[in-house]
Amino acid sequence: DVKVTQSSRYLVKRTGEKVFLECVQDMDHENMFWYRQDPGLGLRLIYFSYDVKMKEKGDIPEGYSVSREKKERFSLILESASTNQTSMYLCASSPPRGNYYEQFFGPGTRLTVL
Amino acid sequence: RKEVEQDPGPFNVPEGATVAFNCTYSNSASQSFFWYRQDCRKEPKLLMSVYSSGNEDGRFTAQLNRASQYISLLIRDSKLSDSATYLCVVNQSGGYQKVTFGTGTKLQVIP
Repeated sequence: DVKVTQSSRYLVKRTGEKVFLECVQDMDHENMFWYRQDPGLGLRLIYFSYDVKMKEKGDIPEGYSVSREKKERFSLILESASTNQTSMYLCASSPPRGNYYEQFFGPGTRLTVL
Repeated sequence: RKEVEQDPGPFNVPEGATVAFNCTYSNSASQSFFWYRQDCRKEPKLLMSVYSSGNEDGRFTAQLNRASQYISLLIRDSKLSDSATYLCVVNQSGGYQKVTFGTGTKLQVIP
């Protein structure tokens, strides 16, 4: 069964803290994505990666960085958390075939920055 | 104008009803289109792809209108279990699977 896991379901951090969100997929997918989902704004792409050590900025990369050292793992880093980064963070992965293939999502991490 | 727009709803419909949602997109070069379903407090999951000729999967029918730049989802004989938020997804031209999600349309099927 396809599986994308995220390190935490709920996380509370303080302003200025460095935050790591981990995502692991067991489907040997090349592509991995980080989104945030906010009411009224939908899912917005932060970063994506199409190969190990490769990364591309999405629509809202400011304040975030990513790391992909291994194919199965894609980490999202908030260098200095701010209250406007309070959100639901969703990781996804997909195989590389064709123009687009189904994205499989993890359960999400609800991050609150105080 | 937003890249992908949906009516947020909610659409409240009785069981057995037929309901349709539309989604408009702004980039005429968009190539691929999809509907995802997201249950409350859950992650999105692919419901169906939308093909140029239209496609059907059981009670669900998806249509694409390139001239008017919108896609639609029709649900027949609504079930309580269809209650969810339906996300329209558009793949912009230009590789690496970068897609844009709509904000979703909420459907509530009432007994």
